[in-house]
Amino acid sequence: DGGITQSPKYLFRKEGQNVTLSCEQNLNHDAMYWYRQDPGQGLRLIYYSQIVNDFQKGDIAEGYSVSREKKESFPLTVTSAQKNPTAFYLCASSIDSPDRGHQPQHFGDGTRLSIL
Amino acid sequence: DAKTTQPPSMDCAEGRAANLPCNHSTISGNEYVYWYRQIHSQGPQYIIHGLKNNETNEMASLIITEDRKSSTLILPHATLRDTAVYYCIVRALTQGGSEKLVFGKGTKLTVNP
Repeated sequence: DGGITQSPKYLFRKEGQNVTLSCEQNLNHDAMYWYRQDPGQGLRLIYYSQIVNDFQKGDIAEGYSVSREKKESFPLTVTSAQKNPTAFYLCASSIDSPDRGHQPQHFGDGTRLSIL
Repeated sequence: DAKTTQPPSMDCAEGRAANLPCNHSTISGNEYVYWYRQIHSQGPQYIIHGLKNNETNEMASLIITEDRKSSTLILPHATLRDTAVYYCIVRALTQGGSEKLVFGKGTKLTVNP
């Protein structure tokens, strides 16, 4: 079955450590997104990528970095510069078409990051 | 900032229709209304979307008012598995012109036996 796979499901970070969250999709989608969700809140966009080797900052990109070397993969690195990284991280993908209004984003099941 | 307003919580009896309202009074003419739901500790699940006509799929129906300032998601026969947070979203654009979804706090729907 096609879908979006995020790993690991739970991740713990020590102070000053960088950690990388994996996101893989086999839907042949062009666009991929990373969102952050805090308890009781909606989602906020961190980074997004419309094509391979290109990505753009979202609303809360500080302290995060991404890469898009392959169409299927869009890993997110939470750096030590992110002072409040504890959150639920969600990856999404969508078909990138000229009329994007018709193309819903599909989400993975998330990675829950905590600080030790 | 979220461009939609939803009640924080609603209850529904199992087997009955669940009608979830959403206000989006500042919606632009070419913006779609999307509905997603999120079950605890899972990623959001796409339900339905529409522009101005009513829409129906295997999961739900979407009723959009003629002035497009509000909409209602209808789950025709709610089950216990429909208990989730439901998000009404209006598509927005990033500074680079790409699409992003702006999630508010949604409506916590509880389906009771």
